[in-house]
Amino acid sequence: AQSVTQLGSHVSVSEGALVLLRCNYSSSVPPYLFWYVQYPNQGLQLLLKYTTGATLVKGINGFEAEFKKSETSFHLTKPSAHMSDAAEYFCAVIRSGGSYIPTFGRGTSLIVHP
Amino acid sequence: GAVVSQHPSWVICKSGTSVKIECRSLDFQATTMFWYRQFPKQSLMLMATSNEGSKATYEQGVEKDKFLINHASLTLSTLTVTSAHPEDSSFYICSARNGGQPQHFGDGTRLSIL
Repeated sequence: AQSVTQLGSHVSVSEGALVLLRCNYSSSVPPYLFWYVQYPNQGLQLLLKYTTGATLVKGINGFEAEFKKSETSFHLTKPSAHMSDAAEYFCAVIRSGGSYIPTFGRGTSLIVHP
Repeated sequence: GAVVSQHPSWVICKSGTSVKIECRSLDFQATTMFWYRQFPKQSLMLMATSNEGSKATYEQGVEKDKFLINHASLTLSTLTVTSAHPEDSSFYICSARNGGQPQHFGDGTRLSIL
């Protein structure tokens, strides 16, 4: 079975500051990893994903994440936060070769201060 | 890109009524659709998985007679909450995928039972 842990239910940053949202996973086989963003009263939008290949993955809106197998981590970063980045962020893991049903983390709420 | 439309986006109804939520894949064939429930400030909880033309597979603890799922075509799945009660109030999100491709999410339905 796979699982996802997102450290910190809330992360607060100033506009222009670095954004770091943490995600650690457990999986018995090589995982596929995803970050989704959810704005109020909306569904989930895929930010980026890692399946195979390059471990540093770039996504939409200036976000990127790095797959670190040794640390079982897939942290999401953005060099400079914008007010529009305020939202809920979910990390998810899919076990490769399995049913392709993701397991979601509990989510991290990103708060951006002016 | 792949678009999933969910309707209605918001519904308020009296206790005891049944509510139907539609999920449509607009520009791709959805061999599999998923229904999630999300409580405030929490992650998505998978309710059921449905493959076109087959009976839905419900997750443990989800009442199949309460939450009726139909996936009659490759572009449409419906979730019917039967005899809804206030405790069924929640945010329901569908997603759809074609084969082993990543899921695409609808914008969710806010269900409020009075």
